[in-house]
Amino acid sequence: LAKTTQPISMDSYEGQEVNITCSHNNIATNDYITWYQQFPSQGPRFIIQGYKTKVTNEVASLFIPADRKSSTLSLPRVSLSDTAVYYCLVGDMNTGGFKTIFGAGTRLFVKA
Amino acid sequence: DTEVTQTPKHLVMGMTNKKSLKCEQHMGHRAMYWYKQKAKKPPELMFVYSYEKLSINESVPSRFSPECPNSSLLNLHLHALQPEDSALYLCASSQRDRGVSEKLFFGSGTQLSVL
Repeated sequence: LAKTTQPISMDSYEGQEVNITCSHNNIATNDYITWYQQFPSQGPRFIIQGYKTKVTNEVASLFIPADRKSSTLSLPRVSLSDTAVYYCLVGDMNTGGFKTIFGAGTRLFVKA
Repeated sequence: DTEVTQTPKHLVMGMTNKKSLKCEQHMGHRAMYWYKQKAKKPPELMFVYSYEKLSINESVPSRFSPECPNSSLLNLHLHALQPEDSALYLCASSQRDRGVSEKLFFGSGTQLSVL
């Protein structure tokens, strides 16, 4: 499985756009990029998944450059409730979730 | 129903006790997982069941014993734990449908304290 590197922590203010970048230099051809969000004392929650270019859903956008060696999770206009840990995972979807391994994650703190 | 339900939410046990953690999902998922999470650390994979068969054991000590009685239920039997086993134990499930998103659904976890 490709290893991921993310910033340990980030601070933001309410209403700002937050971009969290994940490096995955040894991503394989079949690998997808998945992001999860985790609040304290809760299980992680799936946010978004993509393979290339841009993916957008009601929660976030995921930008993946052509070389796929990094990806950026974009949270538009964050609120206090977006304070959480965000995990970037890279893995081959065809081998399934057998080894969904979490990296260190990024602690996002949103201030008023 | 898109929930994974874990019971109990909190558990305190002594080192000589035997207890069980339970996990249930009714989404028709065929893969189920146990993760262990220490404070301020990422979840660590412990076990994976696929179609009710144990497919992954990440070198977990034998004092942790998983069981999958049917496709909706997953148990984790605990015996002779150590204080360092205190953690949040998370259960997850996924569709196990190759070719589509292998999205994991997590429960809220059981906060375990070993005294």
